Amino acid sequence: SQQGEEDPQALSIQEGENATMNCSYKTSINNLQWYRQNSGRGLVHLILIRSNEREKHSGRLRVTLDTSKKSSSLLITASRAADTASYFCAHTTPSNTGKLIFGQGTTLQVKP
Amino acid sequence: EAGVAQSPRYKIIEKRQSVAFWCNPISGHATLYWYQQILGQGPKLLIQFQNNGVVDDSQLPKDRFSAERLKGVDSTLKIQPAKLEDSAVYLCASSLDLRDYGYTFGSGTRLTVV
Repeated sequence: SQQGEEDPQALSIQEGENATMNCSYKTSINNLQWYRQNSGRGLVHLILIRSNEREKHSGRLRVTLDTSKKSSSLLITASRAADTASYFCAHTTPSNTGKLIFGQGTTLQVKP
Repeated sequence: EAGVAQSPRYKIIEKRQSVAFWCNPISGHATLYWYQQILGQGPKLLIQFQNNGVVDDSQLPKDRFSAERLKGVDSTLKIQPAKLEDSAVYLCASSLDLRDYGYTFGSGTRLTVV
């Protein structure tokens, strides 16, 4: 299977703390993306990082990419209760036609 | 800009029955994807269309699943006959083109097979 893995599977923190989620993948990538999914809802795109980039920021989000280790991490700073959701990494490969290969996801709970 | 529309929102059927899901992508988006998301897992691609042609259906269980996008706009995914393991959320997504990575996902159809 090409699916990636995410770690941890579940994370529970207090509001204001930082949350870090890790993602590993198995193949070469074109780009890697992070998505958020609230319970029972669709996926919302958060951030995209290309294979030649090492770090990217968007608001309270920071994504790093280490292609030598085939891994990425998502950091959410100063978390809020509204950040409670499942987070998925997904990548495209150089040889494919744009399809996303998703990891298993990390469920984040932010307690008020 | 309107999002990706999917219907129905929820569906409960008995095993061996048939079911169909509908997706209307964002206007002008040439590429359309159907993903299956089993509870507790990440989405898995079932089929990808570019306009009305199939780009990738390698993970579509073709003995029971079928999909079409006849006019290159909206799409229908059908399951016939359904099995218990088909219980999942079926997500539709679209993007401007094959190499455009600005995917937009619909809210999904939650299917329960009993």
